[in-house]
Amino acid sequence: KAGVTQTPRYLIKTRGQQVTLSCSPISGHRSVSWYQQTPGQGLQFLFEYFSETQRNKGNFPGRFSGRQFSNSRSEMNVSTLELGDSALYLCASSSLVNYEQYFGPGTRLTVT
Amino acid sequence: GNSVTQMEGPVTLSEEAFLTINCTYTATGYPSLFWYVQYPGEGLQLLLKATKADDKGSNKGFEATYRKETTSFHLEKGSVQVSDSAVYFCALSEGEYGNKLVFGAGTILRVKS
Repeated sequence: KAGVTQTPRYLIKTRGQQVTLSCSPISGHRSVSWYQQTPGQGLQFLFEYFSETQRNKGNFPGRFSGRQFSNSRSEMNVSTLELGDSALYLCASSSLVNYEQYFGPGTRLTVT
Repeated sequence: GNSVTQMEGPVTLSEEAFLTINCTYTATGYPSLFWYVQYPGEGLQLLLKATKADDKGSNKGFEATYRKETTSFHLEKGSVQVSDSAVYFCALSEGEYGNKLVFGAGTILRVKS
C-alpha cells in the first residue's frame, strides 16, 4: 500500500506571496492532519479534515487554511507569506480503525 | 492545556549501549501515547503506541510503558545500533476524535560505532 505523498517536496517563495501544498493520504484513510515543524516551535498541529470537513484546528492565524476533496486528498494554503512561515509542513493520514497517524515526507517551504 | 516534556539531547551512545529517553506528560483524561522517529530529511514514522494505563508498546526492540501514576512514557532499547541515530518524539493524542497530536520537543540520538 502506498504511503502518504506530499507535493512539492521543496518550495521557495517570497514574502507576501501565497502557497498551496498538497497531500494524498494512504488509500482508504479519510482523516488528514497537517503539522508545522520549525526548529524554534517544534511540531505544531495546524488542522484536521475528515470527509471534507474541518474537525479540529490549531492556534494558527487565518492566513493558514485548508480543504479536503471527496477523494480525501487535502491541500493547505498559506496566504501573505511571512519569513516565519519557513518550515517543514507535514501531512498525516489515519483510518477510523486505530487512529494511528502516518506521516508523509513533508514539504520544505522557504520564505525569502 | 496538554503538554509533553522530553529529556533534552543530544544523547550520544556507543553501539550496543542501553537507551532510555524520558518522556512525561500533562493531560486531562487518559490520552493515547506515542513515540515517533524522524530520520534526516524524512517525515515521522510511528515507532510504538500505548492506548491505556499499564499498556506496553513495543517495536523493533524499542519499548515504552504507559505509567499513569508517574504520567510517564519512557522509551527504552536494550542495545542500540548506529542505524537508530535519529530524532525521537514523544506525543499524546487529544481532541474529541483523538486525531490531534501534541508533541514533545524531540530528542536527538547519536549512536557511534
